[in-house]
Amino acid sequence: QITLKESGPTLVKPTQTLTLTCTFSGFSLTTFGVGVGWIRQPPGKALEWLALIYWDDDKRYSPSLKNRLTITKDTSKNHVILTMTNMDPVDTATYFCAHGILAGQVTFGSWGQGTLVTVSS
Amino acid sequence: SYVLTQPPSVSVAPGKTARITCGGNNIGSKSVHWYQQKPGQAPVLVISYDTNRRSGTPERFSGSNSGNTATLTISRVEAGDEADYHCQVWDSRSDHPVFGGGTKLTVL
Repeated sequence: QITLKESGPTLVKPTQTLTLTCTFSGFSLTTFGVGVGWIRQPPGKALEWLALIYWDDDKRYSPSLKNRLTITKDTSKNHVILTMTNMDPVDTATYFCAHGILAGQVTFGSWGQGTLVTVSS
Repeated sequence: SYVLTQPPSVSVAPGKTARITCGGNNIGSKSVHWYQQKPGQAPVLVISYDTNRRSGTPERFSGSNSGNTATLTISRVEAGDEADYHCQVWDSRSDHPVFGGGTKLTVL
């Protein structure tokens, strides 16, 4: 059974850097074709994909946010870490991590419960 | 970047058929995936690669994709189908996923 869980601060101040950790089980991020993605959802709004890291450490970032995002993995701990710099109130959202399978493209078959991050002074 | 357009809301009476569309330029040439998201919960993949129901997805859910529109069809709608539905494709030009704006399905 695949499970994922997001953790990190619930409140950050404007201009601060957000660091979120996705802790997963039930799969290995060293297996060919596996990836972990981060997706966010502002309250009442659409899903927005942020970043993706593959088993081979290849990475993809949202073009509109790539200058602010870094995604890394720690396979020994089954962690994927997302950092987002220069946080702004518009970044207030629920942040999800999700297990992805690459079969020509990635689908997100399992998701964490999400963690709400509020950006406010 | 590739843009997906969904209607903000669709309403349907119980027992009827709901059709939720996802529009995009020549979307028929891409594979479309559909996620169901109930209030306060994470999205769940229900249909992948246009028509493939995920294990556990009722047979009442089906997908189609042609031209500039992909459609998620829910037959014999039940109250428990009330949720937001999101379509997703892969933008091959920039090699990353793209989500639609989501559609809120209301069961009257």
